[in-house]
Amino acid sequence: DAKTTQPPSMDCAEGRAANLPCNHSTISGNEYVYWYRQIHSQGPQYIIHGLKNNETNEMASLIITEDRKSSTLILPHATLRDTAVYYCIVRVTYGGATNKLIFGTGTLLAVQP
Amino acid sequence: GAGVSQSPRYKVAKRGQDVALRCDPISGHVSLFWYQQALGQGPEFLTYFQNEAQLDKSGLPSDRFFAERPEGSVSTLKIQRTQQEDSAVYLCASRRTGEGYTEAFFGQGTRLTVV
Repeated sequence: DAKTTQPPSMDCAEGRAANLPCNHSTISGNEYVYWYRQIHSQGPQYIIHGLKNNETNEMASLIITEDRKSSTLILPHATLRDTAVYYCIVRVTYGGATNKLIFGTGTLLAVQP
Repeated sequence: GAGVSQSPRYKVAKRGQDVALRCDPISGHVSLFWYQQALGQGPEFLTYFQNEAQLDKSGLPSDRFFAERPEGSVSTLKIQRTQQEDSAVYLCASRRTGEGYTEAFFGQGTRLTVV
């Protein structure tokens, strides 16, 4: 699975959009980009994933550059409850004997009141 | 149940003691994972089950770590002769399918402290 690079921490004002970047310059054509987050003392929670098209769901939007070497997770109106560590993970579509997710250290997003 | 349930939530063990951590996945979920999360780090993969079959145990750090899922539902992670470096949060996750993408649901974890 391709390696990802994320900033260790970011701040965002409550009510504003939070834009979390992720670099994955070695991504290959069959690898998806997944985002999970982990709120303090909880297990990770799935947010969104995509291959090459931009994706949106009720939680967030995922913007993937045309060359697929980087992506941005957008939380449109951050709230204090969005304070968490956000993980960007790149992997092939699930299949075969193992389906593990490989987490890095992620980005700690602190939403400020 | 509504989600993945892990017990106990907290466990303190004396060095050398054996411990058993339990995971109740979402009913009907085929895939089950165990992860270890040290303080300030992301979760690290330990092992993977598809139904009762343990298909990947490449992340188990030593032969003191053992996991089982005998009937393809509840899983137990056992650590023998615990050491201080085993102190971590142990997370369990389940997925509905074994193939193709479906969302992984995580439990809240068991915090193990070895003293």
